[in-house]
Amino acid sequence: AQSVTQLDSHVSVSEGTPVLLRCNYSSSYSPSLFWYVQHPNKGLQLLLKYTSAATLVKGINGFEAEFKKSETSFHLTKPSAHMSDAAEYFCVVSNTGFQKLVFGTGTRLLVSP
Amino acid sequence: DTGVSQDPRHKITKRGQNVTFRCDPISEHNRLYWYRQTLGQGPEFLTYFQNEAQLEKSRLLSDRFSAERPKGSFSTLEIQRTEQGDSAMYLCASSRRLDQETQYFGPGTRLLVL
Repeated sequence: AQSVTQLDSHVSVSEGTPVLLRCNYSSSYSPSLFWYVQHPNKGLQLLLKYTSAATLVKGINGFEAEFKKSETSFHLTKPSAHMSDAAEYFCVVSNTGFQKLVFGTGTRLLVSP
Repeated sequence: DTGVSQDPRHKITKRGQNVTFRCDPISEHNRLYWYRQTLGQGPEFLTYFQNEAQLEKSRLLSDRFSAERPKGSFSTLEIQRTEQGDSAMYLCASSRRLDQETQYFGPGTRLLVL
């Protein structure tokens, strides 16, 4: 069975500083991995996805993530945080048929001025 | 494309009552998924449909829960004899045939059982 572990429940950064949200995965086969963002009172939005192509994946709003098989990690980064980035972020793994997504427990990103 | 829509957005009910939620997927998306999200947790898979066929159900989906997608378009999720533990956000998502790995989520229905 697949699973993901988000290593931080909360991350606080100042506006303009880098963002790092950490995620480790467990899968018995080559996984498909995703990052979703959830703003208050809004639906989940896909930031980026890895499906066994390039290991460095670029997403929307300046976010990117790197798949590292040796470390079983898929950390999300952004060079410079913006106030609008404050939200809940979920690392997600999918089974091979994409029938269901398995979500981590989430990391709340707080951005201060 | 209009996004995935869900109705109602909020529902308050008393324990023991039945509730029904509706999800309208993005037009021509053949797959439709239901998830449940409790406070402080990530969403958990409940069930999914490919066209009108319900192909997988999670163990979380007890006998009190039933989902349908009668014509392969909208879907309903019914909870019978609600319990306080059913209080959660119920999320619907859909995906299209040529991009099944990308699920588009609706805003959710927040259920509170008193």
